[in-house]
Amino acid sequence: SQQGEEDPQALSIQEGENATMNCSYKTSINNLQWYRQNSGRGLVHLILIRSNEREKHSGRLRVTLDTSKKSSSLLITASRAADTASYFCATDDAGNMLTFGGGTRLMVKP
Amino acid sequence: SQTIHQWPATLVQPVGSPLSLECTVEGTSNPNLYWYRQAAGRGLQLLFYSVGIGQISSEVPQNLSASRPQDRQFILSSKKLLLSDSGFYLCAWRTGKYEAFFGQGTRLTVV
Repeated sequence: SQQGEEDPQALSIQEGENATMNCSYKTSINNLQWYRQNSGRGLVHLILIRSNEREKHSGRLRVTLDTSKKSSSLLITASRAADTASYFCATDDAGNMLTFGGGTRLMVKP
Repeated sequence: SQTIHQWPATLVQPVGSPLSLECTVEGTSNPNLYWYRQAAGRGLQLLFYSVGIGQISSEVPQNLSASRPQDRQFILSSKKLLLSDSGFYLCAWRTGKYEAFFGQGTRLTVV
């Protein structure tokens, strides 16, 4: 079953603009993670935010977490054509499962 | 450094044939291991995960099975493939509650 659901499913922006993707989940989590997938490849970890954290930054990435609303957002600032990929949130529950959402397909036009 | 190997990269198999996909991890001990399946343009569906040798948890009933004969080896199998088994299969590992590291995936087409 999928825990996280990303919104929007697809996003198309111009280079230099910011891209915001949202993730909602259903159950309690230990942490929430964001991953990137280039077409036909494996996933690459981007950032992890713990349940007791509200915001985290890594380079051009900013992640927020609202556990009361069971939601998270990923912001990519000053996007580049190379940011074109699918982005997934994944929730880590109290056990050992790591459950992914449906993903957001981001296209950045040069 | 840790690496993960997954093979083959692509596979075309007839309906009813058996399947064996292998995943091995190097450079770490006692990892949690995961098998996911991804339909085209969709999210990842967790199929199996393992926290130790011989310990397999299955998330969805299906035509597949998994085994972990060694600490850093995870195998996905089927005795008889169905058309609906087609997809992109991804193996991943992690330790504790941290980030997961993925293999490059196997694209399986059942014909």
